[in-house]
Amino acid sequence: NAGVTQTPKFRILKIGQSMTLQCTQDMNHNYMYWYRQDPGMGLKLIYYSVGAGITDKGEVPNGYNVSRSTTEDFPLRLELAAPSQTSVYFCASSYGGRSETQYFGPGTRLLVL
Amino acid sequence: QKEVEQNSGPLSVPEGAIASLNCTYSDRGSQSFFWYRQYSGKSPELIMFIYSNGDKEDGRFTAQLNKASQYVSLLIRDSQPSDSATYLCAGQTGANNLFFGTGTRLTVIP
Repeated sequence: NAGVTQTPKFRILKIGQSMTLQCTQDMNHNYMYWYRQDPGMGLKLIYYSVGAGITDKGEVPNGYNVSRSTTEDFPLRLELAAPSQTSVYFCASSYGGRSETQYFGPGTRLLVL
Repeated sequence: QKEVEQNSGPLSVPEGAIASLNCTYSDRGSQSFFWYRQYSGKSPELIMFIYSNGDKEDGRFTAQLNKASQYVSLLIRDSQPSDSATYLCAGQTGANNLFFGTGTRLTVIP
């Protein structure tokens, strides 16, 4: 199993550009999450999904969108990139919810200039 | 507002010593707590989780939870240089979302 994979590893965007961060898991997990981590800070939940077709907002959803058409994929969309979105983005998945381990992908480092 | 507070450190301990990492939380509805280790430039990886009051041991690691005091800790016995990392504490509500602290940076000195 590859676990949770993310692409790209690193990207530079100009202000106002858009992009999609890809996340795929091969563990047949129901739950998937997107977090961002700013330097020296903890992780903040952006969006999460409890299954295909179901998504919900986390702590910091503004400026992002998600979709979950399959169990495996959970892409994160940035429509109008802003410098405040410069961060490291982690995708995670878990089989269930409460007390279930979340497995993290390697992260995508995004720089908005 | 669900908050998890950690001392950012850095915490330095000599090799072989016990490292004690602490975390407090504000939401009494938090039911489970997780300790993740994050090496520089890497993704978090789970060390332990705990949801019952008391201690939970796994090898060199012991997690402690005191719900009355809203306090979680992680003890690392026989600390090794490879334990040098940032340790993230996270609380989980019934809705399965994790709320992370800012992490404590641990350095184990050979």
